[in-house]
Amino acid sequence: NAGVTQTPKFRVLKTGQSMTLLCAQDMNHEYMYWYRQDPGMGLRLIHYSVGEGTTAKGEVPDGYNVSRLKKQNFLLGLESAAPSQTSVYFCASSYSRGSSYEQYFGPGTRLTVT
Amino acid sequence: SQQGEEDPQALSIQEGENATMNCSYKTSINNLQWYRQNSGRGLVHLILIRSNEREKHSGRLRVTLDTSKKSSSLLITASRAADTASYFCATDERGSTLGRLYFGRGTQLTVWP
Repeated sequence: NAGVTQTPKFRVLKTGQSMTLLCAQDMNHEYMYWYRQDPGMGLRLIHYSVGEGTTAKGEVPDGYNVSRLKKQNFLLGLESAAPSQTSVYFCASSYSRGSSYEQYFGPGTRLTVT
Repeated sequence: SQQGEEDPQALSIQEGENATMNCSYKTSINNLQWYRQNSGRGLVHLILIRSNEREKHSGRLRVTLDTSKKSSSLLITASRAADTASYFCATDERGSTLGRLYFGRGTQLTVWP
């Protein structure tokens, strides 16, 4: 099992450019999440999905869009990148049964917007 | 916000010593979890404690939960240099089935050989 994988690992964008971050999980998890991590800020939830075809806004959704067309994939899009979106992005997934919701994290994508 | 707050922000100890980190949160929960993050890596789940539990052990880890004070502590006994990492507490919301977790800002633990 690869667990949760993220593509790409690093990316540098110019202001105004667009890109898509891909998250894939092979654990048949229903729930998937996108976070950003900034120094001193902990993890902040951008968007999440409780199942294929569903998405919902998290704490900091502005400037991002997501899609969950397949259960195993969760895409995060930046339509017009801004320097404020320079961050490390983490994808996570969890089971939906029970109430523990232990999350499994990917290795992260380090994005720099110049 | 439900976001937890860890204390201290940074902790530096010698190998063999115990490390204690604390977490406070604001609203009622189902569970509280602790995660570890090594530098440049994703978070890894360490331990979960349910709201009806007061203490839980896993290897060298001991977690306590006091729901009346809305606080938790993580104790790492006989620490090793490999324990150097950031540690985060994460809480959910009582009654929620959305699986959302609210993470604190973390405690950076450094264990010196």
